[in-house]
Amino acid sequence: GQNIDQPTEMTATEGAIVQINCTYQTSGFNGLFWYQQHAGEAPTFLSYNVLDGLEEKGRFSSFLSRSKGYSYLLLKELQMKDSASYLCAVRGSLSSGATNKLIFGTGTLLAVQP
Amino acid sequence: SAVISQKPSRDICQRGTSLTIQCQVDSQVTMMFWYRQQPGQSLTLIATANQGSEATYESGFVIDKFPISRPNLTFSTLTVSNMSPEDSSIYLCSGRVGNTIYFGEGSWLTVV
Repeated sequence: GQNIDQPTEMTATEGAIVQINCTYQTSGFNGLFWYQQHAGEAPTFLSYNVLDGLEEKGRFSSFLSRSKGYSYLLLKELQMKDSASYLCAVRGSLSSGATNKLIFGTGTLLAVQP
Repeated sequence: SAVISQKPSRDICQRGTSLTIQCQVDSQVTMMFWYRQQPGQSLTLIATANQGSEATYESGFVIDKFPISRPNLTFSTLTVSNMSPEDSSIYLCSGRVGNTIYFGEGSWLTVV
C-alpha cells in the first residue's frame, strides 16, 4: 500500500533549528516534495529530492534516503512566519504508472514560539 | 516556476447545485491536476486533466461528479456537480513544470 508518515504537530522557538521527519512506503518512487501551507492558503513548493543526500536552499534544507524510505526538512533560524503546516509528498514511478501522481502525508503543523 | 490562478477563490453553494472552478496557468505546463483538501486533511488527487481528451480519474472520483475540461495547455476547469455538504472542501489546481508541481491559490467551497 501507500503510506506516508509525519508527526502531527511540532513546536519550536524563534531562532532555533527544527527537523521535520517523513517516512514513506509507496509502490514506486520518483521524487519527494516538501510544501509549506499557511492556514487558509494553498501549498507553496519548498523542495524536491530525487537522489540521496541533502539539498540546501537558504534557511531550508531537505534530506532523502531512498533505501530507508526517509526524508527530513530542516528549518534554520526559525522565524514566526514559519508557523505553518509542512507537507511531505511522494511522486510515483513510471513503472507503477503513477509518475505524476503526488501522494501526500497528513502534514506537520509547526508552531514557532517567541 | 509557474503562476496558477483559480476562480472563484471562495463560494458558498446551495445543496444540489453545481459549480465550475477555472484554472489559468501563466505558462505552458506539461501536466495539470486537480486536488481536493477536505477540512483538516491533506491533499488527495482527483484527476489529471488531459488536453483535448477525457481526464484520468483516481479511484473514488468519477466524471459525472467531477467533470473536467482542458481545452489548451494553460487552462482547465473542474465542475463539482450536484453538491452536498460532504463536498465542502478546498479544490486546488496544480501544474507540472519540469520536475516540480506547483499549486494554485485554491478554491474554498462551502456547501449549505
